[in-house]
Order: sequence, then structure tokens, then C-alpha cells
Amino acid sequence: KQEVTQIPAALSVPEGENLVLNCSFTDSAIYNLQWFRQDPGKGLTSLLLIQSSQREQTSGRLNASLDKSSGRSTLYIAASQPGDSATYLCAVGPNDYKLSFGAGTTVTVRA
Amino acid sequence: DADVTQTPRNRITKTGKRIMLECSQTKGHDRMYWYRQDPGLGLRLIYYSFDVKDINKGEISDGYSVSRQAQAKFSLSLESAIPNQTALYFCATSDPNSGLGYEQYFGPGTRLTVT
Repeated sequence: KQEVTQIPAALSVPEGENLVLNCSFTDSAIYNLQWFRQDPGKGLTSLLLIQSSQREQTSGRLNASLDKSSGRSTLYIAASQPGDSATYLCAVGPNDYKLSFGAGTTVTVRA
Repeated sequence: DADVTQTPRNRITKTGKRIMLECSQTKGHDRMYWYRQDPGLGLRLIYYSFDVKDINKGEISDGYSVSRQAQAKFSLSLESAIPNQTALYFCATSDPNSGLGYEQYFGPGTRLTVT
């Protein structure tokens, strides 16, 4: 069974600092990996999806890397802003329809 | 308007009651999913559906049932609610024909409390 771990569970940084969020998974036979953002009272918003054949994906200030051999993905958020405060979830897919989720990292960006 | 909507957004019910959570989508996706989220845990898959006639159990289906009334509608029922079903419930959709690696799109969630 795929186990997905996100450490730390919570993180607080001053505005402008770069954020580094970690995700580890136990089974390297993945189909894709997806990073989500969750805001209170709202659903999950997909940030980046990395297919198993890719090493990284970028969107604006966000960059996600994938290292299947070591079972790790890292989400980088450059020049953090208070609006980046949210819970970030990592999810790993063994196929094209199932996702195993980590418990998330709750980020607070202090103004 | 949101692409994936869920009703109700919040619900408080008593132990033993039957309750239905509804999900509608305008994305035209064939695949739909129900997840639950508990504090400190990741989302866990309850049921998923590839189309109206193809419904499958997920990781934690005991105590739940689903109905796919149409391509756009997928309902989750708790036949006899119990307190440990108190959780945040999410509906999601995906399109197997998209070029985006089967990205899943989520609704806003339903917060269910069973007393």
C-alpha cells in the first residue's frame, strides 16, 4: 500500500522567504504526482501535476520536482506572500484514477 | 459558476439517520470520485465511477453507498450515520481523455457532523 508522508505538518515563514515543502512516498511505481492547495471552506485547487516520466513542473512562482528512485517530491514557492498561506497536499497516483494523499503541510506566511 | 458543486455545504445529523450528499459537475468529465478527509489524515477514497454504469469501491466504502444518476451527478449516501463518519467530504472529477495526466478537480466539500 502506498504511504505518503509530508513533513513538517506546519510551517511558518516571514514574507519574502522561499518555501520548500517535502513529500515522500513508499512505492516508486507511480503514474503521476499532484500538488494541491487547500483553503478553509474551499475545495482543493490543483497546483501542479508531474507525470512519472517528468522530473519537474513549473508554474509561475511554483516549481515541483520528482525523484521516483528516492520516493521524493519537493514543492518550491519563491518569494512567499501572505496569500500563500494555506495547506498544501501531495497526492501520488499508481494509475490514472487513484490518488493516495499525504496529510498536508499547513503554511503560514507572516507579513 | 463553479465546475464542481456539492450540496449541502454543511450538515449536522443524528446517529442512525440516513443522509445523502450530492455532487454535480459541468466539466463534462466521465470519472467522478468521493473522498473523505479527517483531521491529520490525508484524503481517502470512498467510491469512484468511470461512467454511469461503472461504479467501484474505494479504500473505505463500508457504511457508504453511491448513485450515479447521470454523467454530471454522483451522490453519496450514509444509510445509518454514525459519529465516526463525521468528516469533510469531497467530490472530484477527472477526464481520462485529457492531456493533463488525469488531473483531478475537486468540489468545495461538505462538512458533515454526526451527533
